[in-house]
Amino acid sequence: GESVGLHLPTLSVQEGDNSIINCAYSNSASDYFIWYKQESGKGPQFIIDIRSNMDKRQGQRVTVLLNKTVKHLSLQIAATQPGDSAVYFCAENNEVGGFKTIFGAGTRLFVKA
Amino acid sequence: EAQVTQNPRYLITVTGKKLTVTCSQNMNHEYMSWYRQDPGLGLRQIYYSMNVEVTDKGDVPEGYKVSRKEKRNFPLILESPSPNQTSLYFCASSLTGWDSPLHFGNGTRLTVT
Repeated sequence: GESVGLHLPTLSVQEGDNSIINCAYSNSASDYFIWYKQESGKGPQFIIDIRSNMDKRQGQRVTVLLNKTVKHLSLQIAATQPGDSAVYFCAENNEVGGFKTIFGAGTRLFVKA
Repeated sequence: EAQVTQNPRYLITVTGKKLTVTCSQNMNHEYMSWYRQDPGLGLRQIYYSMNVEVTDKGDVPEGYKVSRKEKRNFPLILESPSPNQTSLYFCASSLTGWDSPLHFGNGTRLTVT
């Protein structure tokens, strides 16, 4: 498959456990945050998003938490499955500077069966 | 099926031979963008377009051109490719560009010898 990044931070979890992936974002003016999942050989895929006027949002098996005070974002995956193995990126958007999306370096999640 | 389609998936070329990577989306999205993904450097934006006939530079535009003559298409042009443009390229689109998630194509692996 495609190599999406060498020396990425890695998280290894047992199947069925909960996973928490953390991200520090850079710009206090950012007002929209997204988590993407990238599987080998594919493009990043949207998982969940959150706007700056919220501090928590839940989806199916996933929860995103936003702490604006310390510029921290986290993705929680409940009951992690082998199909969750991938690289996860956080991303931040803001209108300042021309509608750019800034991506984090990514975290590689391994799920042990 | 809603998707972003880019072609080709794999391309090997020689220095200086002009090439075009095509990108098309069927979601009527206003915003389209090109990224390159390199190990250790993550996803970096090359060019983006807010609408037809409106394009702007991202973080790494040197050596690339784009055009947006139609809403659905956003080709990436390398007029004179060089080996440092060997990379994995992704096209993406979103409804608005700043408060909606990106939809990515499956990537184009370009090798310039």
